[in-house]
Amino acid sequence: RKEVEQDPGPFNVPEGATVAFNCTYSNSASQSFFWYRQDCRKEPKLLMSVYSSGNEDGRFTAQLNRASQYISLLIRDSKLSDSATYLCVVNEYNQGGKLIFGQGTELSVKP
Amino acid sequence: DAGITQSPRYKITETGRQVTLMCHQTWSHSYMFWYRQDLGHGLRLIYYSAAADITDKGEVPDGYVVSRSKTENFPLTLESATRSQTSVYFCASSEADGDEQFFGPGTRLTVL
Repeated sequence: RKEVEQDPGPFNVPEGATVAFNCTYSNSASQSFFWYRQDCRKEPKLLMSVYSSGNEDGRFTAQLNRASQYISLLIRDSKLSDSATYLCVVNEYNQGGKLIFGQGTELSVKP
Repeated sequence: DAGITQSPRYKITETGRQVTLMCHQTWSHSYMFWYRQDLGHGLRLIYYSAAADITDKGEVPDGYVVSRSKTENFPLTLESATRSQTSVYFCASSEADGDEQFFGPGTRLTVL
């Protein structure tokens, strides 16, 4: 089993749609969780951290369920500029600061 | 300009040559990382460092060497480049264990 698994893509959605990405992680000791965005093989950039209480940043909402070891990202009112690959990322404390990256889910928002 | 930079941004070399990819960060972050990204494989960790003079192997270290004599620099050397090392290489840094990582713009390396 992969340490971080994401929904297989690609997701093709029209502008204005709501899209949800799901992610599961295998290590229950994981402590930090993030969503990164990567455009066309450019460097990954932090989209948002994921907290136990859930967090929202404009059109983006991230949620964490520690019991189910599940992370989600919801994008509302999709824009063309949201087209990218979204990476679910999990960090484990006391492992040299390493991050474990999911394979990513590609999103394509069409006019 | 503060941040994390990589050089060169593009490199073409030949099989068997030694190549060094540079990474420099201005935040004084303790942790630094090298990844490679190939189509179909996602990001794979090559080496990482928790502090100056402390380095450790990641998932795919074979054929690579790193050093970290200064906190801000983390060069990656391909001792004898092979075609399978053609890839995009990303350097990243983080302030503390558990923190998000910030990535450099990447180096696109082609080994002929």
